[in-house]
Amino acid sequence: EVQLLESGGDLVQPGGSLRLSCAASGLSFRGYTMTWVRQAPGKGLEWVSAISGSDGTTYYIDSVKGRFTISRDDSKSMVYLQMNSLRAEDTAVYYCARRDLASGLGFDPWGQGTLVTVSS
Amino acid sequence: EIVLTQSPDILPLSPGERATLSCRASQSVTFKLAWYQQRPGQAPRLLIYDASNRATGIPARFTGSGSGTDFTLTISSLEPEDFAVYYCQQRYDWPITFGQGTRLETK
Repeated sequence: EVQLLESGGDLVQPGGSLRLSCAASGLSFRGYTMTWVRQAPGKGLEWVSAISGSDGTTYYIDSVKGRFTISRDDSKSMVYLQMNSLRAEDTAVYYCARRDLASGLGFDPWGQGTLVTVSS
Repeated sequence: EIVLTQSPDILPLSPGERATLSCRASQSVTFKLAWYQQRPGQAPRLLIYDASNRATGIPARFTGSGSGTDFTLTISSLEPEDFAVYYCQQRYDWPITFGQGTRLETK
């Protein structure tokens, strides 16, 4: 079964840190760009970060630059999002997704998401 | 940053009717636009990539069209499971951006 499974979401205080993980199974991982997308409660989708599968180049939305770090471990088919200096506005469900070469680099598949809540 | 504006925000229709959803980009994204469906409580699902190509397993009633700045997603005859939120997304330039979404609801 093709699957992306996120974990690591939790309740954290403002200024705190959290590391999200995404485990891939049943699909090609090495060489594919992986991404994180978030969705605040009742809101739309917001792309957060991506990491190239070919050369490890990373990309971030401006609001998380300097605070979030994306990384990957191809030997384990894992992608991570280290989130530091968390703010209330980072509260969201975080999805990982693969940029699918066969689908015009569309995001496919997606994981089920993990909830990050930043609150005191 | 490329801004995508979807219209309408909410589209009330009945099963069997035709749905037409629009997405306008603040600058040309050529053909590099995708559409996603998100049902309540679920992760998004890729429907259309590169403006007009259906993703694997997507029914033929879903059609994407357009290029440059104006794009359309058409659902020819609505099924009950099609009532959801639809997002467009551009990959022409970083940062990747999504539209605000169109909620397709039952009239």
